[in-house]
Amino acid sequence: SQQGEEDPQALSIQEGENATMNCSYKTSINNLQWYRQNSGRGLVHLILIRSNEREKHSGRLRVTLDTSKKSSSLLITASRAADTASYFCATDAKRDDKIIFGKGTRLHILP
Amino acid sequence: ETGVTQSPTHLIKTRGQQVTLRCSSQSGHNTVSWYQQALGQGPQFIFQYYREEENGRGNFPPRFSGLQFPNYSSELNVNALELDDSALYLCASSFDFAGGEEQFFGPGTRLTVL
Repeated sequence: SQQGEEDPQALSIQEGENATMNCSYKTSINNLQWYRQNSGRGLVHLILIRSNEREKHSGRLRVTLDTSKKSSSLLITASRAADTASYFCATDAKRDDKIIFGKGTRLHILP
Repeated sequence: ETGVTQSPTHLIKTRGQQVTLRCSSQSGHNTVSWYQQALGQGPQFIFQYYREEENGRGNFPPRFSGLQFPNYSSELNVNALELDDSALYLCASSFDFAGGEEQFFGPGTRLTVL
């Protein structure tokens, strides 16, 4: 079963706009990670945020974590065509330490 | 590129056959995790190996088995293939088995079962 659920399932925006994706999960976690996947290839790790952190930045990426609401968001600022990909959140559950992925958000950047 | 390699890239099998997929970890990594990703879905955890021992398993039947070798490379074996086994199989290596360590993914093996 999948612990994380991304929202929206698909998102199309104009190049240069900001893209926001959300992730909700069910059980207590140690940390949450965001990954990117291009066209059914391997996943690329973007950012990890620990349960005691609320916000983290990496270049054009901003991730927030609200453990009281069991949710996280990924913001990509000034989107580029190369950002077109699927984005997954993955949670590391406290109960068993195993990483569980959501179903992903498919992001399409329009020229 | 992450330094994690997988072989083969693509594979076509028929129902009932057996398949072995291979993964070479990134240098210095002692943990390998395997995932199954069906089309349009997120990766599903199959199992993890740490220092040649299975260190956790997802909801997959026993016909999914694995090995990790002394050089930390790994194999995923699937017996009695079923149509629903068609998927992208991903391996990921990390320095340690704790979830807080970043996982580095290989490009995957796409398995088609006819």
